[in-house]
Order: sequence, then structure tokens, then C-alpha cells
Amino acid sequence: EVQLVESGGGLIQPGGSLRLSCAASGFTVSSTYMSWVRQAPGKGLEWVSVIYSGGTTYYTDSVKGRFTISRDTSKNTLYLQMNSLRGEDSAVYHCATHQVPYYYYGLDVWGQGTTVTVSS
Amino acid sequence: IQLTQSPSSLSASVGDRVTITCRASQGISGYLAWYQQKPGKVPKLLIYIASTLQSGVPSRFSGSGFGTDFTLTISSLQPEDFATYYCQQLNSSPFTFGPGTKVDIK
Repeated sequence: EVQLVESGGGLIQPGGSLRLSCAASGFTVSSTYMSWVRQAPGKGLEWVSVIYSGGTTYYTDSVKGRFTISRDTSKNTLYLQMNSLRGEDSAVYHCATHQVPYYYYGLDVWGQGTTVTVSS
Repeated sequence: IQLTQSPSSLSASVGDRVTITCRASQGISGYLAWYQQKPGKVPKLLIYIASTLQSGVPSRFSGSGFGTDFTLTISSLQPEDFATYYCQQLNSSPFTFGPGTKVDIK
């Protein structure tokens, strides 16, 4: 069974850093595209970042230069390094897999999410 | 690529036919997905490449469209369908979501 479990969220002061982890089971993180999606309280879904199976990465404009997506195949884990955090980054962060065999088949498996709160 | 959805919310009764529209700011071919999200739950993929029903999703859900204009239709609304629906374009990164359409009980 394919499963994703996020961790690493918490309360952090503005300007601080956090690294989110997404532990995968039932598949290999490098075998498909994987995205991070966030949802602020009471708000809609916001796509944050993707890492392609080949390693190419993309980000939404608001996090470019501050966030870095990566993966560790030995740990079968996806990461999101978040630096220079702002209040507007407060949200539940989900990792999700792009359905195989084609990334444009949508996000079919989602983790339950980890909560990031940026506040002084 | 920006996505807009209309309406932003709607009230409907069980058995009603419901149509939600998603419009892209530029052509995205058929690379559009629809998701359903219930309160406190993760989003669930309903439809991909505009009109393909995800495995396990009831056939009362259908999608159509190409280019810039897309629709999600629920042919006969059921109690479990009251939720928020999002479209997402997967034509090119960033893979933006629409703002959502909340469907609640009339």
C-alpha cells in the first residue's frame, strides 16, 4: 500500500527555518513526480513545489529562493527545506504523489499533512 | 497559469444536477484534474486529464473540456458529495489550483 507520512512542522518565528519530511512506503520516491501542497487555515489548496523523477524542481513564485525540495532515495523520503519563513507560510503542508505513469494524471496519494505556524 | 472557478459556492439539494466551471488563463490542453475535499480530510482525486474518472469514483461524477474551459458535473447530488471542489492544471509548472467551489446543502 502506498503511504505518505509528513513530519517536521511546528511553531517557528518569522525569519526562521524548518525542514519538512515526507516518508514514503509502497513505492520509491524517485520513481514518480512528487509535490508539496499547502493549505492555510480556512483557505484553499496552494501548490508549492514539485520534484520530477529526473530531479528537476519547480516552485510557486512566493517561495522561490526560500524553499528547496529534495529527496533521499536511501531513506525513501521527500523533504521541503523552508528558510526565511513568513506569516503567510503558515499552513498545513501535504506531500503528494503524481499518479503514474504520467505526472499529468493528477495527485492520487496524499499525506495527512504537517502544520507549520509562523508567529512571534 | 491562473485558474478561476465558478461559482465560488452553491447550495443544492440531494438529487440535483450540479455543474462547476474552471477556466484557465491560457490553454492547458486537457491537463486538468478535479479534487473533492471534505472538512478535515485530504483532497481526493476525482477526475484527471479533464474527463477520465479516477478508479473508485462514482459514475455520477463527470468532467469535460479542453483548452481553457472545463466543467465538473455531478449528475445527481448525494449527501456524501457536499464538499469543496478544486481544479488543478498540470500542463506546466507551477501546477496551480483553482480557488475552490463549496457545495453545501440547500
